[in-house]
Amino acid sequence: DVKVTQSSRYLVKRTGEKVFLECVQDMDHENMFWYRQDPGLGLRLIYFSYDVKMKEKGDIPEGYSVSREKKERFSLILESASTNQTSMYLCASSLSRQGVRPQHFGDGTRLSIL
Amino acid sequence: RKEVEQDPGPFNVPEGATVAFNCTYSNSASQSFFWYRQDCRKEPKLLMSVYSSGNEDGRFTAQLNRASQYISLLIRDSKLSDSATYLCVVSRSAGNMLTFGGGTRLMVKP
Repeated sequence: DVKVTQSSRYLVKRTGEKVFLECVQDMDHENMFWYRQDPGLGLRLIYFSYDVKMKEKGDIPEGYSVSREKKERFSLILESASTNQTSMYLCASSLSRQGVRPQHFGDGTRLSIL
Repeated sequence: RKEVEQDPGPFNVPEGATVAFNCTYSNSASQSFFWYRQDCRKEPKLLMSVYSSGNEDGRFTAQLNRASQYISLLIRDSKLSDSATYLCVVSRSAGNMLTFGGGTRLMVKP
């Protein structure tokens, strides 16, 4: 079974802080993704990565950056946290093969910015 | 218009009932389709992929209609444990990205 592990289930930070959310997958997947999920808005793609050191903007990248130094690890960074970044953050990974493969999610990090 | 549209529900059904959800998508170039299940305050989990010819997995049947750009999920003999939000998921035109629908909430009552 694919295992995607996110570093924290719950996190509370203050406005203006730099926040790091970590995600690790153990199935040698090439693709990794960061989403946020908000009531009424569904899952929205923030950033994704096809390979080590590769990153692409998703639908809502503003206020975020990412890092992928190793294949198994994909970090989401809130450069200067703001209250509108309070959300559930979900990391996912998938294989890169012919056709689009399903994504497997971590447990999520519920982030509150005060 | 949203790329993937679902009726948010909730659908309230008794145990043992058959329930169906539909989902419409706007991108005619989409090639891959999935249904995910999400329990309250948990992560989405893959329920099943949706194939062109339709496919079944136990009590669950998925259908794809490319001409009309909709996907359906049928659940037979509903169980209390089927209570969850069901997300319709469609691939984008390029890359390995997916677009998630807002979900349909199902509540199965005793």
